[in-house]
Amino acid sequence: KAGVTQTPRYLIKTRGQQVTLSCSPISGHRSVSWYQQTPGQGLQFLFEYFSETQRNKGNFPGRFSGRQFSNSRSEMNVSTLELGDSALYLCASMEGLEQFFGPGTRLTVL
Amino acid sequence: DQQVKQNSPSLSVQEGRISILNCDYTNSMFDYFLWYKKYPAEGPTFLISISSIKDKNEDGRFTVFLNKSAKHLSLHIVPSQPGDSAVYFCAASVGGYSTLTFGKGTMLLVSP
Repeated sequence: KAGVTQTPRYLIKTRGQQVTLSCSPISGHRSVSWYQQTPGQGLQFLFEYFSETQRNKGNFPGRFSGRQFSNSRSEMNVSTLELGDSALYLCASMEGLEQFFGPGTRLTVL
Repeated sequence: DQQVKQNSPSLSVQEGRISILNCDYTNSMFDYFLWYKKYPAEGPTFLISISSIKDKNEDGRFTVFLNKSAKHLSLHIVPSQPGDSAVYFCAASVGGYSTLTFGKGTMLLVSP
């Protein structure tokens, strides 16, 4: 089975722009979660989608949004980028109680 | 308020010795705990987990201990190998739910 894939792997944007990141879960997995990793805050939960519905949401501003498609692929969008949004964005798909993470998308905001 | 804390940012151990990584939590609702390992430029990889109904779980060289009264868990790696050098994250969830609360990680360096 192929693992969780994320595209793009690296992205450079400027303040005020918006960005869309993509995640393809492991085949058969219906739950996709997104996390932000920064040096100061560690890994923080953004949101989780299951069967195209947002099932849970972390404590992030409304500039962060996501969606899931019928094939379980998920996208997250960040609008009006700020310097503090520079981070590694990780996506994970779930089977049972285990979460399997993708390699992440490294977003740099200049 | 950080609900999962890993108070040691780094740990250095010699090859063959035991590595002990610690994690404390404050939310008594947590009932499922996991350890992940992360190499640079890769996503975290699941290592081992423990349910709150147990106090110990072993998988090869890795053992996780849970002390519910102290709200403390630890990961023991015996024997440590240079390939174990990575950042280790402790995570917790409520009801085995998909939302994980992570600690900030401990960087383990195993020297030959």
